[in-house]
Amino acid sequence: AQSVTQLGSHVSVSEGALVLLRCNYSSSVPPYLFWYVQYPNQGLQLLLKYTTGATLVKGINGFEAEFKKSETSFHLTKPSAHMSDAAEYFCAVSKMDSNYQLIWGAGTKLIIKP
Amino acid sequence: ETGVTQSPTHLIKTRGQQVTLRCSSQSGHNTVSWYQQALGQGPQFIFQYYREEENGRGNFPPRFSGLQFPNYSSELNVNALELDDSALYLCASTGSGANVLTFGAGSRLTVL
Repeated sequence: AQSVTQLGSHVSVSEGALVLLRCNYSSSVPPYLFWYVQYPNQGLQLLLKYTTGATLVKGINGFEAEFKKSETSFHLTKPSAHMSDAAEYFCAVSKMDSNYQLIWGAGTKLIIKP
Repeated sequence: ETGVTQSPTHLIKTRGQQVTLRCSSQSGHNTVSWYQQALGQGPQFIFQYYREEENGRGNFPPRFSGLQFPNYSSELNVNALELDDSALYLCASTGSGANVLTFGAGSRLTVL
């Protein structure tokens, strides 16, 4: 069965510092991979996705993620954190027989220190 | 274009009661999925509807049921509510051939 592991339920970085949120998945074949962001009392917003092609994917708000098949990872990065990036971030993979049924990690809450 | 809208935004029920949550999908989207997000956890897939029929279901008991209407809007019904049903219920829609879900802001259900 597919699963998603996000390392660290909370990550704290200073404003202007590098953001790195880790995501590893288990799957026998490369799935579709997603990062979503959830602001307090809001729904989930797509940051970026990997389906096929280039393994470095750029998303909104300056975020990017790299699909590494050998490491079964899809870590999310941003060169310089901004206060507005404080939110919860979820990594998800699509179920093999359905592109719509996502399997989610438990989420990482990003805290930005001034 | 309008996004996914859900109602109500918050509601409180007691154990044993029944609840209906509603979702209007984004214009042009014909597939609706429902997810349950317990506090501090990632979403869990409940089920999915396409052309008014359920075409995928997660590990949820039959007391979780749904409907999709000809205009692609959807309902989630939960019978015999239990305390553990307290969660944020998210609706998401997508169009044919697409692989990206558009989420609503959710309905927060509290069961006392």
